[in-house]
Amino acid sequence: ETGVTQSPTHLIKTRGQQVTLRCSSQSGHNTVSWYQQALGQGPQFIFQYYREEENGRGNFPPRFSGLQFPNYSSELNVNALELDDSALYLCASSLANTYNEQFFGPGTRLTVL
Amino acid sequence: GEDVEQSLFLSVREGDSSVINCTYTDSSSTYLYWYKQEPGAGLQLLTYIFSNMDMKQDQRLTVLLNKKDKHLSLRIADTQTGDSAIYFCAEDRRDDKIIFGKGTRLHILP
Repeated sequence: ETGVTQSPTHLIKTRGQQVTLRCSSQSGHNTVSWYQQALGQGPQFIFQYYREEENGRGNFPPRFSGLQFPNYSSELNVNALELDDSALYLCASSLANTYNEQFFGPGTRLTVL
Repeated sequence: GEDVEQSLFLSVREGDSSVINCTYTDSSSTYLYWYKQEPGAGLQLLTYIFSNMDMKQDQRLTVLLNKKDKHLSLRIADTQTGDSAIYFCAEDRRDDKIIFGKGTRLHILP
């Protein structure tokens, strides 16, 4: 059984740039949720994808967007990067459109300069 | 309030019990979760409790839920050095959002 993987591990961008983060869900899981974790804070829910459709969204602006592919892997795209977007971005996969039994990936550390 | 509240730090002697408390926001939240995060790692689901239960025990972990006060606690019996981590409480709200607290850093004293 393959766990949740994320790429890249670390990323440095400058303000105004765009970034794409990737997540491969655990085998058999069809739901992916994305979170932003700023330093010293708890994770903040960005959105969830279930069967390639957005299925719930937190309080993030439209420049945060996502995709889920037929193999249930997912991308998080952030446009017009701001300094406050610097954070650890976590994805988690689960069965069905729930948060139960979520398995988290190790995260992507994004630094915006 | 809108925030899930947790105390930021807890120090416990090895072998004692640790009790981490949390106040959540929505009395109709369906599931309440406890996650553990070790340095440089993602989150690990420790346990969760459904809102129609008031207690759940899983080996050294005991979760207590008081729905009236929207209070959740996690008790770790016989705390070990490997329990040193940040513990996050989270609620699964009816508006399809999951809300995390800021985390409690558990420090184990020898």
